[in-house]
Amino acid sequence: GESVGLHLPTLSVQEGDNSIINCAYSNSASDYFIWYKQESGKGPQFIIDIRSNMDKRQGQRVTVLLNKTVKHLSLQIAATQPGDSAVYFCAESSPFSSGSARQLTFGSGTQLTVLP
Amino acid sequence: NAGVTQTPKFQVLKTGQSMTLQCAQDMNHEYMSWYRQDPGMGLRLIHYSVGAGITDQGEVPNGYNVSRSTTEDFPLRLLSAAPSQTSVYFCASSPSFRQGSWGYTFGSGTRLTVV
Repeated sequence: GESVGLHLPTLSVQEGDNSIINCAYSNSASDYFIWYKQESGKGPQFIIDIRSNMDKRQGQRVTVLLNKTVKHLSLQIAATQPGDSAVYFCAESSPFSSGSARQLTFGSGTQLTVLP
Repeated sequence: NAGVTQTPKFQVLKTGQSMTLQCAQDMNHEYMSWYRQDPGMGLRLIHYSVGAGITDQGEVPNGYNVSRSTTEDFPLRLLSAAPSQTSVYFCASSPSFRQGSWGYTFGSGTRLTVV
């Protein structure tokens, strides 16, 4: 089956630097993408999403870029802080056949560590 | 508190035992789902429901049953626990397209160990 994968399992950055987490997807039917943050012992937390009709979307200190040509997604975190240390998952979404719900496929995650 | 509530947070089972993981949401979301998360892997969909009385299988449904008698509750039943079911289980809910904006809200998880 089609899957979502991440380029790097771990990423270490200095506090204050920018972080970039990459993700590749393969399902051409996916039209909605989400980045989640998961801290140890907690459930995934929504960070930012983007629809396939957009190339870029910005939030507070985070930016998601979507390149549909190469099926690539990235999450940029500006001025990375110790509280940003977590596992980050990208997820791609496509409609279920029922139409009213959506399927969500997760990548395996990238562990971001912020160094002091 | 609004959100998705899962109980218990931790559970140890013996092989062959059965149990039910509880999940409740108070956001009037139509869509609910169960995922399992294993080390080094992303979340994999076990079962999902698009509304009360409607359930369907996800990617890894074997060994699990679900039911959706109310909008709020979506319990996951392990019929005969096996060591391969040792994992962290997450329940999630989201509104349907008809309800407007779409996104998943996750519970805090149930850590299950089968010995």
